[in-house]
Amino acid sequence: RKEVEQDPGPFNVPEGATVAFNCTYSNSASQSFFWYRQDCRKEPKLLMSVYSSGNEDGRFTAQLNRASQYISLLIRDSKLSDSATYLCVVNSMDSSYKLIFGSGTRLLVRP
Amino acid sequence: SQTIHQWPATLVQPVGSPLSLECTVEGTSNPNLYWYRQAAGRGLQLLFYSVGIGQISSEVPQNLSASRPQDRQFILSSKKLLLSDSGFYLCAWSSGQGGNFGPGTRLTVT
Repeated sequence: RKEVEQDPGPFNVPEGATVAFNCTYSNSASQSFFWYRQDCRKEPKLLMSVYSSGNEDGRFTAQLNRASQYISLLIRDSKLSDSATYLCVVNSMDSSYKLIFGSGTRLLVRP
Repeated sequence: SQTIHQWPATLVQPVGSPLSLECTVEGTSNPNLYWYRQAAGRGLQLLFYSVGIGQISSEVPQNLSASRPQDRQFILSSKKLLLSDSGFYLCAWSSGQGGNFGPGTRLTVT
């Protein structure tokens, strides 16, 4: 089983739609969780951290469910510029702080 | 703020040739450093990480190696490239609060 799993998509949605991505992780002791965004042929960039209580940044809401070991990202009022691949990321538990990536979910927002 | 530099941005190398990719970090000391590879249309694969000078851990067996000669310098090397080494190579820095990536090197082995 992969350490971090995501639905690869693509999710094809119209502008203004609400879209949600889920991600599951296998190590129940994991403590740090993130969503990254990767544009085509570019490096991944940190979108937001995911906190136990859930957190929001503008149109983006991230949630963590420790009992079920999944993380979610909700995007409201989708924009064309949201089209990208969204990567779910978990930090390793040791001092290496390794970032363990899911394979990503591709989002296409159409006019 | 921390900045990661990588070069070159693109590279085309023949099979069997050597490789050296360099990454340097500014704005932090004693960072944890990483080399990732992303094959076309695939996810990120962790190749090596380093928690300090001269300390290298390999995640997957392969014909690549890494070195950290200075605190903020991380080098990825190969003596003889294979076709399967083609991909997007990314250097990253992490502190446990997420991490930042360099702009990457797109390597094509022909």
